[in-house]
Amino acid sequence: DGGITQSPKYLFRKEGQNVTLSCEQNLNHDAMYWYRQDPGQGLRLIYYSQIVNDFQKGDIAEGYSVSREKKESFPLTVTSAQKNPTAFYLCASKIQRGASYEQYFGPGTRLTVT
Amino acid sequence: QQQVKQSPQSLIVQKGGISIINCAYENTAFDYFPWYQQFPGKGPALLIAIRPDVSEKKEGRFTISFNKSAKQFSLHIMDSQPGDSATYFCAAIEGSGSRLTFGEGTQLTVNP
Repeated sequence: DGGITQSPKYLFRKEGQNVTLSCEQNLNHDAMYWYRQDPGQGLRLIYYSQIVNDFQKGDIAEGYSVSREKKESFPLTVTSAQKNPTAFYLCASKIQRGASYEQYFGPGTRLTVT
Repeated sequence: QQQVKQSPQSLIVQKGGISIINCAYENTAFDYFPWYQQFPGKGPALLIAIRPDVSEKKEGRFTISFNKSAKQFSLHIMDSQPGDSATYFCAAIEGSGSRLTFGEGTQLTVNP
């Protein structure tokens, strides 16, 4: 059963704590992405990685960090420096098939920081 | 800089009607345009996609219309059903691009 797994579905943390969100894919996709979605808002790109051991900042990288040590894994750490961490976090992976691109999203993790 | 503008922000349609969501882009290097459907609390799912060498693509009740000269594309949902109620995102990517550019999203409500 192929796909993208994000865990946990809900995560609660106290302010000032770092927290790491998991993202695993068994689709053999090279590229992986992290997005943030706030209520009623669109998708904002945090970080992305096109290949193992390499990643780039997206539009809102401040207060976040990532690693890409394995092709199938792309964890996101929300640090205490992120001013408004409460949000819905979506992981995605993408593959190019000929002239087409297929980007698939995971089910998301809802992070609440109090 | 928002490179893909989506409208309307919200849309209410009666069951059986046609839902139309529009997107416009600036970057002429974009060459692939997918649409995503997102239900509350779920991740977006790829719905249908089109390349600019095609003016229309249809999959079931979902149709993308593409106007290259106007740099616009739209999603038409025929015979809209309450189960279609969701948020829809258009997106675009260029051939050498590493990331999709998303529109702001349209919240569709189909009334029974």
